[in-house]
Amino acid sequence: AQTVTQSQPEMSVQEAETVTLSCTYDTSENNYYLFWYKQPPSRQMILVIRQEAYKQQNATENRFSVNFQKAAKSFSLKISDSQLGDTAMYFCAFANFGNEKLTFGTGTRLTIIP
Amino acid sequence: EAGVAQSPRYKIIEKRQSVAFWCNPISGHATLYWYQQILGQGPKLLIQFQNNGVVDDSQLPKDRFSAERLKGVDSTLKIQPAKLEDSAVYLCASSLEYTEAFFGQGTRLTVV
Repeated sequence: AQTVTQSQPEMSVQEAETVTLSCTYDTSENNYYLFWYKQPPSRQMILVIRQEAYKQQNATENRFSVNFQKAAKSFSLKISDSQLGDTAMYFCAFANFGNEKLTFGTGTRLTIIP
Repeated sequence: EAGVAQSPRYKIIEKRQSVAFWCNPISGHATLYWYQQILGQGPKLLIQFQNNGVVDDSQLPKDRFSAERLKGVDSTLKIQPAKLEDSAVYLCASSLEYTEAFFGQGTRLTVV
């Protein structure tokens, strides 16, 4: 079974600064997907970024980028130029190739300070 | 495009009562998921449907939880009888095959 670990329960950063959220995972599979989801107080999970394990290039989406280290089974999220609207819970998640069923970590509560 | 709709948004019941949650996925999405998110934890999959068939219900407590997806569209998740530890947010999500899952806003259940 796959496991996802987020070791930072809470983080805070000043507005406009850069912050990195950590995630490690365990799997015996070679092909899989990794995700970062954002959950604001509205509770709706919003996809931030997605990485396919077979791609060596790290995914980027505007201010969001990942550092994917397959051998180390590490998948961190970097948020550049942080904004107040980035305040939320962030969940790292794993899915096997061919099945969108998600295994989530326990989340990191990120607070952006004005 | 309309998103995943869930109702109700909030529900408070006493233990041993029954409760049902409803989910309407995005039109055309064949796969539907129910996740349980206990406070302070990440969501955990309860059941996955492909059209109206069950793909995975290994984490569903079948002695008290049941779910159905009639005609491969809407889905209902039921708890009977509820226990205090069932207090959680219940999230519904849907996806096309091999694509990202879209989530609804969830139902917050409080069992007292």
